[in-house]
Amino acid sequence: KNEVEQSPQNLTAQEGEFITINCSYSVGISALHWLQQHPGGGIVSLFMLSSGKKKHGRLIATINIQEKHSSLHITASHPRDSAVYICAVSDYGGATNKLIFGTGTLLAVQP
Amino acid sequence: GEEVAQTPKHLVRGEGQKAKLYCAPIKGHSYVFWYQQVLKNEFKFLISFQNENVFDETGMPKERFSAKCLPNSPCSLEIQATKLEDSAVYFCASSQVLRGEANYGYTFGSGTRLTVV
Repeated sequence: KNEVEQSPQNLTAQEGEFITINCSYSVGISALHWLQQHPGGGIVSLFMLSSGKKKHGRLIATINIQEKHSSLHITASHPRDSAVYICAVSDYGGATNKLIFGTGTLLAVQP
Repeated sequence: GEEVAQTPKHLVRGEGQKAKLYCAPIKGHSYVFWYQQVLKNEFKFLISFQNENVFDETGMPKERFSAKCLPNSPCSLEIQATKLEDSAVYFCASSQVLRGEANYGYTFGSGTRLTVV
């Protein structure tokens, strides 16, 4: 069993829909990252959080440390949001330690 | 600069040849990480540095892989005698811990796609 599990693996949505991607982890962590990888391959760090909730534009990330669960929400989805979204955790040290990656969620937003 | 610069973007090597990849971290970032993405979403940690010192090398295949981060030079990842299974995208990332804040996010480079034929 992977230490970081994501669901769903694939997600297709219509433009404008509210999207949720879930991440569960089994290790103790100091921080959880949400990453975005576009078809061209580049990786963008969307959020790093260790508690509560963060918001950036149409993206919201939440984490529940007790339940070892995080969610990434996209409001008013747009075709340009189509990408692979990856959850990754640091088991200690936050930004100084290696990441353990989930298997990713492939999101396709159709116009 | 404000980006992690990886070169080259693409590298093709015959089996048994050497491959060398480069990464220039963001200026002021003390930590550098190398990851290997083999299949679509399978990332493997290779090695990390704190400045020019190896911080964590638990993911490095010691036999053929080596890495350095020297002062005033890009960091490098070298693979001796490449094998077909080394074909992957190699990502570099850098990070910094800010005073008074335990965590500061990663910035990834755009990756080097290594194809071993």
